[in-house]
Amino acid sequence: QQQVKQSPQSLIVQKGGISIINCAYENTAFDYFPWYQQFPGKGPALLIAIRPDVSEKKEGRFTISFNKSAKQFSLHIMDSQPGDSATYFCAARNPSGSRLTFGEGTQLTVNP
Amino acid sequence: GAGVSQSPSNKVTEKGKDVELRCDPISGHTALYWYRQRLGQGLEFLIYFQGNSAPDKSGLPSDRFSAERTGESVSTLTIQRTQQEDSAVYLCASSLAWETEAFFGQGTRLTVV
Repeated sequence: QQQVKQSPQSLIVQKGGISIINCAYENTAFDYFPWYQQFPGKGPALLIAIRPDVSEKKEGRFTISFNKSAKQFSLHIMDSQPGDSATYFCAARNPSGSRLTFGEGTQLTVNP
Repeated sequence: GAGVSQSPSNKVTEKGKDVELRCDPISGHTALYWYRQRLGQGLEFLIYFQGNSAPDKSGLPSDRFSAERTGESVSTLTIQRTQQEDSAVYLCASSLAWETEAFFGQGTRLTVV
C-alpha cells in the first residue's frame, strides 16, 4: 500500500516536444506529491509538488496534473529542452511526514 | 553550510568490513532522512530523525544498519559486516520541518568488493 508506481521507465522526446510521466498510488492517506529531478552524480532536487486538494499546478514549463479519484498524478514538461535530460522521480508523503515513498524513476532524454 | 554535505563521496570497502557514512544537514533543519538508491532504481527509505523525537527506523533493511544523530546536527549511518548487496548510493536529506521541502546531498557511493 506504500508503493508508488511510475511509468515509463525511459522516455525519449524531441526538443520542443511534451514529456509526460505518470505515477499511481494506493494509499489514499498520502498528503503531498512532489516530483524530483536528478542529474548523474547529483542528489535529487525538488522540481514541483502538489497537494491532493488541487487538481493542477503549473510552474513555468512544468505542470503536475492530479486525479484524486483515480489515485494518479503526472508530470508534463512543455517545450522540452536537452537540458531537461535527467531522471525524474515522483514521490508521495505519508501523513506522519516521516518518509517520502518514491517511484522507480523515469530516464528522460531530450534530443536536440 | 549552503547545502546538505555528505562524506565520503565514494567508499570502496571489503566484504565484512564496517563503514560509517556522514551527513551534515543544512543548519537549522530539524528533520533528517537517509535513503538508499541502488543502480537504476528509486530511492528506498532507511531512517528518519525529527528533532529530539524517537527516530523512525522502519526502513532499515537489517540489524547491520544503524544511524545516529546528535540533536539537530550531524548524522552517521553505520553498516556493519558489509555485504555486496549493500553496494548503492546512500543519500541524506534534511528539511526545516517534516512538512517542508527536503533537500538532498550528493550521496555517498558505496562499493563492497
